[in-house]
Amino acid sequence: AQSVTQLGSHVSVSEGALVLLRCNYSSSVPPYLFWYVQYPNQGLQLLLKYTSAATLVKGINGFEAEFKKSETSFHLTKPSAHMSDAAEYFCAVSFSGGGADGLTFGKGTHLIIQP
Amino acid sequence: DTAVSQTPKYLVTQMGNDKSIKCEQNLGHDTMYWYKQDSKKFLKIMFSYNNKELIINETVPNRFSPKSPDKAHLNLHINSLELGDSAVYFCASSGTGGYYGYTFGSGTRLTVV
Repeated sequence: AQSVTQLGSHVSVSEGALVLLRCNYSSSVPPYLFWYVQYPNQGLQLLLKYTSAATLVKGINGFEAEFKKSETSFHLTKPSAHMSDAAEYFCAVSFSGGGADGLTFGKGTHLIIQP
Repeated sequence: DTAVSQTPKYLVTQMGNDKSIKCEQNLGHDTMYWYKQDSKKFLKIMFSYNNKELIINETVPNRFSPKSPDKAHLNLHINSLELGDSAVYFCASSGTGGYYGYTFGSGTRLTVV
């Protein structure tokens, strides 16, 4: 079975500060890992994905994440927060990366940006 | 062109009614899904279809019935709607392998009154 744990249901940072959203996974096989962002009343937008290539993955909007197998982690970072980053962020895991097993999501982290 | 489109965006209906949500993808993907997002924003897979064949059927009431007329369409029909069915339902699709990932529609907010 696979699972995802996102530490911190709410994270608050000041504008311009580092954003760090934590994600740990559990998987019996090498996983495919994803970060999605959901803005209020909108759908899910893919930020980035890990597919067993480079362990440091760069995504859209200045976000990046590093896959650390020894720590079973895939934390999301952004060097400098912007007000427009305020949203819900979801980490997700898949066995196949695109097959019918689908995605297993974490419970989400609500990112608040303080002016 | 929207990659994964679902209609309607909002659906308000009374308890006991039957309703359908439609989903179409123009990405040429083989697999389509329905996810439910509850009031706490938790996302859980309900169904997945691969080339019109049901692959995953999570523990959902049998009042929910997916229908896939072709690999580009996956509809969700819900019978005898209950208050607890109120949620946001997302359609998604995926190709094979990690290169493609999963693409989501914009969601249907279902409110049962």
